[in-house]
Amino acid sequence: QKEVEQDPGPLSVPEGAIVSLNCTYSNSAFQYFMWYRQYSRKGPELLMYTYSSGNKEDGRFTAQVDKSSKYISLFIRDSQPSDSATYLCAMNVGAGKSTFGDGTTLTVKP
Amino acid sequence: DAGVIQSPRHEVTEMGQEVTLRCKPISGHDYLFWYRQTMMRGLELLIYFNNNVPIDDSGMPEDRFSAKMPNASFSTLKIQPSEPRDSAVYFCASSFGGGQPQHFGDGTRLSIL
Repeated sequence: QKEVEQDPGPLSVPEGAIVSLNCTYSNSAFQYFMWYRQYSRKGPELLMYTYSSGNKEDGRFTAQVDKSSKYISLFIRDSQPSDSATYLCAMNVGAGKSTFGDGTTLTVKP
Repeated sequence: DAGVIQSPRHEVTEMGQEVTLRCKPISGHDYLFWYRQTMMRGLELLIYFNNNVPIDDSGMPEDRFSAKMPNASFSTLKIQPSEPRDSAVYFCASSFGGGQPQHFGDGTRLSIL
């Protein structure tokens, strides 16, 4: 079993929809949680970075961490066609390497 | 600020040839990571360095793969001899501190014929 499991998708939603992307993990030592966005033929770029349980908001994006359930989510409000990309969750223990999910591909249709 | 710079962006070569991928991390970053990404296996960590020293190379698939970091501003990933199953996108990433968010280059798209 993988340490990090990400909802596989793909997801296709109409413009303006609320999108929920989710990951679960098994390692209770994970302390730092990240979401990356990867456009086609580009490298992953950091979208959100959180430490504690709870919500962190940045514009249309909200990252949610529930350490008790070992579950993290990324919500996108008022989704736009420009949000069409692959989203990767990642997490680490606060040192060294991060463990990545396999990614969820999102398409937002105009 | 310049991000992580990888070269070449694309490489097409024949099986058996030596391939060298290059990476320049963000200035001041002390961690450097090499990844391989395929549709089947997703993003796989191959090796990472801290202060130019290899820390974990357990993801390197076999002895045909080697990586070096001769100084803080340059790293190479070498495949010799290359095989068609090595075809993938190879990413380099760097971070300031362990556990901190990584900044990725745009990758090298490698095709072995």
